[in-house]
Amino acid sequence: AQKITQTQPGMFVQEKEAVTLDCTYDTSDPSYGLFWYKQPSSGEMIFLIYQGSYDQQNATEGRYSLNFQKARKSANLVISASQLGDSAMYFCAMRDAIDSSNTGKLIFGQGTTLQVKP
Amino acid sequence: DAGVIQSPRHEVTEMGQEVTLRCKPISGHDYLFWYRQTMMRGLELLIYFNNNVPIDDSGMPEDRFSAKMPNASFSTLKIQPSEPRDSAVYFCASSFSPGAQETQYFGPGTRLLVL
Repeated sequence: AQKITQTQPGMFVQEKEAVTLDCTYDTSDPSYGLFWYKQPSSGEMIFLIYQGSYDQQNATEGRYSLNFQKARKSANLVISASQLGDSAMYFCAMRDAIDSSNTGKLIFGQGTTLQVKP
Repeated sequence: DAGVIQSPRHEVTEMGQEVTLRCKPISGHDYLFWYRQTMMRGLELLIYFNNNVPIDDSGMPEDRFSAKMPNASFSTLKIQPSEPRDSAVYFCASSFSPGAQETQYFGPGTRLLVL
C-alpha cells in the first residue's frame, strides 16, 4: 500500500541556516512522483518542488532542493538559507501512475512544522 | 494566470444547515480533486473528476456529502445536513492530467465550522 511517513512533527532552525525535512515513502509502482507542499498559517497549500521516480538528478527550485534516495525510498526536502517566512507546515506527498487500482490521488504525510528563529 | 479559486474562504453554520463549497479549477486542467484536512486524519481525498465526470467518490464520508461538476470551470461540494464533525478545511485542487508527474495545484481552501 502507498504510504508517506514524515517522522519529524516539529523542527527549529536558525535564520540563514539550512534545514532538512525528512520524508520516506512506500509504493510498489515503479512510476511515481514525489511532491512537497508548504502550508503557512494562512492555510493555503503551496506547491514547492517535484521529483519523478525516473529522474536522474535531484530536483531544485531556488532555495529548495530534494535529496532523493530511491533505494532508501526517501525524498528529503532541503531548505537553504532559511528565512522567517519559511515558518510553516511542510507536507510530503506522493502520486502513483494511474492504473486500475488507484486514482492518481496524492497521498500525504502527516506534515512537519518548521519554525525559523531570528 | 489565476490559480484554483475557492469560495467562500470561511463558513460558519449551524448543525443541520446545508453548506455549499465552490471551486473553479485552473483553465485547461481536466482533473479536479476535493480534499478535506482535519487534525485527526490529515489530508484525505474525497472525490475527483475527470472532464467533469466523477471518477472516484470512495472517499466521500457519507451520503450527506455530494459533489458536482456541471462544466469544466466549476465544481461544488455540498453537505446536507451538516454536522459538527464536518468542521475542517476543504481544498479543491486541479491538474492537467492524472499522471504521476503532474502537479496538483490547490486552492486556498474553505475553512468550515459547523456549530
